[in-house]
Amino acid sequence: DGGITQSPKYLFRKEGQNVTLSCEQNLNHDAMYWYRQDPGQGLRLIYYSQIVNDFQKGDIAEGYSVSREKKESFPLTVTSAQKNPTAFYLCASSILLAGSTDTQYFGPGTRLTVL
Amino acid sequence: KNEVEQSPQNLTAQEGEFITINCSYSVGISALHWLQQHPGGGIVSLFMLSSGKKKHGRLIATINIQEKHSSLHITASHPRDSAVYICAVLTDSWGKLQFGAGTQVVVTP
Repeated sequence: DGGITQSPKYLFRKEGQNVTLSCEQNLNHDAMYWYRQDPGQGLRLIYYSQIVNDFQKGDIAEGYSVSREKKESFPLTVTSAQKNPTAFYLCASSILLAGSTDTQYFGPGTRLTVL
Repeated sequence: KNEVEQSPQNLTAQEGEFITINCSYSVGISALHWLQQHPGGGIVSLFMLSSGKKKHGRLIATINIQEKHSSLHITASHPRDSAVYICAVLTDSWGKLQFGAGTQVVVTP
């Protein structure tokens, strides 16, 4: 089946540790996105990538890093510099259209808790 | 101030009732998305629209570009419609979405 997978579903880490969240898609989508969701707030964009080996910062990139070495993979690292990393993280992907993008497809999310 | 505002924040309806969720935005957009998030956290895209109206089953989405307003209607609501409904606007060609805070809908039998 085509889709987006994120692993793990739940992740616990000690404060000060870096942690990497996985996102893989087999939809052959060009664009991939990472969002953070906090209770009572809308999703906020962390990073996005249009093509392999290229990515741009979103609205809240501080304390996060990404890589796009393969079209199907867009891992997110939450570094120790992120002041409040406990949140629900969602990955998404979409087709790039001429001058626009199509519907974004979301993964199931990873709930990160920093103890 | 959030550039995408949804109302109401919470909504409870009895099975069979007609439900309306509103979304207002203050920026120029190329498209608007309505998303559904179930308790497990996964998000599903319901509609993407840039003008007029779209219908899928019991769901109807409308948008008025001049008034910068969109509505999502659920006809003959059912308990399985219980979810958070999220409005998101596409503000550039790079796929960058700005999201509303969501509307929690509970439909009781």
